[in-house]
Amino acid sequence: KAGVTQTPRYLIKTRGQQVTLSCSPISGHRSVSWYQQTPGQGLQFLFEYFSETQRNKGNFPGRFSGRQFSNSRSEMNVSTLELGDSALYLCASRPQKYNEQFFGPGTRLTVL
Amino acid sequence: KQEVTQIPAALSVPEGENLVLNCSFTDSAIYNLQWFRQDPGKGLTSLLLIQSSQREQTSGRLNASLDKSSGRSTLYIAASQPGDSATYLCAFRDIGNQFYFGTGTSLTVIP
Repeated sequence: KAGVTQTPRYLIKTRGQQVTLSCSPISGHRSVSWYQQTPGQGLQFLFEYFSETQRNKGNFPGRFSGRQFSNSRSEMNVSTLELGDSALYLCASRPQKYNEQFFGPGTRLTVL
Repeated sequence: KQEVTQIPAALSVPEGENLVLNCSFTDSAIYNLQWFRQDPGKGLTSLLLIQSSQREQTSGRLNASLDKSSGRSTLYIAASQPGDSATYLCAFRDIGNQFYFGTGTSLTVIP
C-alpha cells in the first residue's frame, strides 16, 4: 500500500497570502489529522477529520481551516499568513477512530 | 490538558549500548500511546502502539512499556546502532480523542 502523501513538499509564501496544503491518506483510511511542528512549540494538533466531518480541533486561530473530501483526501488552508506560521505541517491517517496513526513526509512552509 | 514530558532531551551513546527513553504524562485517562521516530526534516515513523489495557509491546530490538498509575512510558532500545540516530517522540491519545505529543529525545549513536 502506498503511504500518506502530502503536496507540495516545500512552499514559500509572503505575509498576508494564503496557502492550501493537500494530504492523501493511505487507501482505506477514513481519518485524517493535521499537525504543526515548530522548533519552539514542538508538534501541535490542528484538527482531525473523519468521514468528511471535523471531529476535533486544536487551539489554533480561525485562519487555520480544513476539509475532507468523499475520497478521504484532505486539504488544510491557512489565510493571512504570518511569519510565525512557518513550520513543518504533517498529516496523519488511520483507518478507524482509535487506531494507530501513520504520518506523511510533511510540507515545509516558509513565510517571508 | 495533557502535559507530556520526555527526558532526556538529548542522548549520545556508543554503538551497541542498551538505552531507555522516558516519557511522562499528567493525565492517566489515556486511550493509547504511540512511539515514533523522526529523522531530520522528515515525517514521523510509527514504532510501537500500546493500548491502555496493555503493559508493553515489542518489535525487534524495541520494547515499549506503559504504566498508567505512575504516568510513565519507556522505550527500550537494545544493542543500539548508528541507524537508530533520530528524534524519538511519544504521543498519547486521551479518551476525548485528543492527541498529545511529547517534547522528544534526540538520540545519537556513535559508531
